[in-house]
Amino acid sequence: DIQMTQSPSSLSASVGDRVTITCQASQDITNYLNWYQQKPGKAPKLLIYDASNLETGVPSRFSGSGSGTDFTFTISSLQPEDIATYYCQQYDNLALTFGGGTKVEIK
Amino acid sequence: QVQLQESGPGLVKPSETLSLTCTVSGDSITSYFWSWIRQPPGKGLEWIAYIYYSGSTNYNPSLKSRVAISVDTSKNQFSLRLSSVTAADTAVYYCARVLGSRVVPAATFDYWGQGTLVTVSS
Repeated sequence: DIQMTQSPSSLSASVGDRVTITCQASQDITNYLNWYQQKPGKAPKLLIYDASNLETGVPSRFSGSGSGTDFTFTISSLQPEDIATYYCQQYDNLALTFGGGTKVEIK
Repeated sequence: QVQLQESGPGLVKPSETLSLTCTVSGDSITSYFWSWIRQPPGKGLEWIAYIYYSGSTNYNPSLKSRVAISVDTSKNQFSLRLSSVTAADTAVYYCARVLGSRVVPAATFDYWGQGTLVTVSS
């Protein structure tokens, strides 16, 4: 299986701050990576696919980049409604795997 | 609008079989791959399995020996069976629609059910 390592596991930032989350794959996954947002008690929601493509309807303050083994997810200006846990997920092979998640809180 | 709804017992005894069904509305189950994902309380997401309407399946290697996924096109439903459960199988179980990609037939979870908590306890 391809292991996905996210960091940090949690962070606290102020409204308006730029927030960055990283996801590292245990092997080259090209750009076969998605990012999801999960709010407490809710199902995950797809935000970004193919590492950098914004899903329809997702605010433009969310973005993704990277290729190979190293990927970044960014919130350009943190909003109160962005409080959630964020997960990366690879689809380079048939066994789909998620990162451990990053919990984002407001300072 | 695509909607998915999980159903099944919320409590299962250790060593027994967990059975869940996902009912899909707003889309034909013959159009995509469909999947189960779970999340133990306070922990991360784990993909379990996916299926195509033709019966083509793929399983998480760590669960493969205990899992079976099936589809009923007449009811627009797909189902999960997980045998020999233990407390470690206690989780919220989600069903989801899966989009394909250039490299794999099932890649991206775009629609999710609300999830159902299954507790394994005597």
